[in-house]
Amino acid sequence: DADVTQTPRNRITKTGKRIMLECSQTKGHDRMYWYRQDPGLGLRLIYYSFDVKDINKGEISDGYSVSRQAQAKFSLSLESAIPNQTALYFCATSDGGLAGVPAFFGPGTRLTVL
Amino acid sequence: DQQVKQNSPSLSVQEGRISILNCDYTNSMFDYFLWYKKYPAEGPTFLISISSIKDKNEDGRFTVFLNKSAKHLSLHIVPSQPGDSAVYFCAASRETSGSRLTFGEGTQLTVNP
Repeated sequence: DADVTQTPRNRITKTGKRIMLECSQTKGHDRMYWYRQDPGLGLRLIYYSFDVKDINKGEISDGYSVSRQAQAKFSLSLESAIPNQTALYFCATSDGGLAGVPAFFGPGTRLTVL
Repeated sequence: DQQVKQNSPSLSVQEGRISILNCDYTNSMFDYFLWYKKYPAEGPTFLISISSIKDKNEDGRFTVFLNKSAKHLSLHIVPSQPGDSAVYFCAASRETSGSRLTFGEGTQLTVNP
C-alpha cells in the first residue's frame, strides 16, 4: 500500500463550487505539505503543518484553506473554486530529516475547474 | 521571480552515456539543495541532496555538484538507463525558512535504448 495517498485522483468541478482534497499518510510523520504544480512553474507550496496544532501558509495560500484532522490526515479546501486553480496538487510528508524538507509525495490530484 | 531555474525543458541521451541536468539559483541564502525525480502519474520522489558546505555528493550512479560562486548545481547520471527517463526537479531551501522548498520548473530526461 502507498505510504501517502490522495483522494480523489482526478476531479472536475465548476467555478464557485467548494471542493476538498484529502491526504492520508501511514508513515507516522509529523510534517505534512500541500503543493500545486503548474506547467512551466515547478511545484509551489500552498500550506504546511508541523503537527496537528501547527498550520502555516506557504507562498500561494490565497483561495485555499487546510485542516489537520489528525497526524495522519491533512486536507486542502478550495472554498470557491476558480479556473486558475486548475492544477496538479501534491501532498507530501517529512520526518524532519533532509533538513526538514518534504521527502515523500503522494501521487497527486488533478483538479480541473471549469 | 523564479529563484530556481532549470533552463532546459528537455534532454535526450543514449543509454550508457552520461546525463547532465543543470539548475541555477539566484538566492544566495539557499543552503540545501535537492533533486527529485517524477514519473508520469506519480508524485516526485527524493533522489539526492547536497548541503552548501559541500561541493559534491555521490550516490551510486547519481552525483550532484554544487558551485556556490556560480550559484549552479548539476546532476550527473552515469551510466544512463532507460528507467531514468522521467522529469527531474531541482529544489533549494534555507535553513531558516521552516523547511520551505523552492522548485525549478523541471527537465524531462529521455534515455533512448
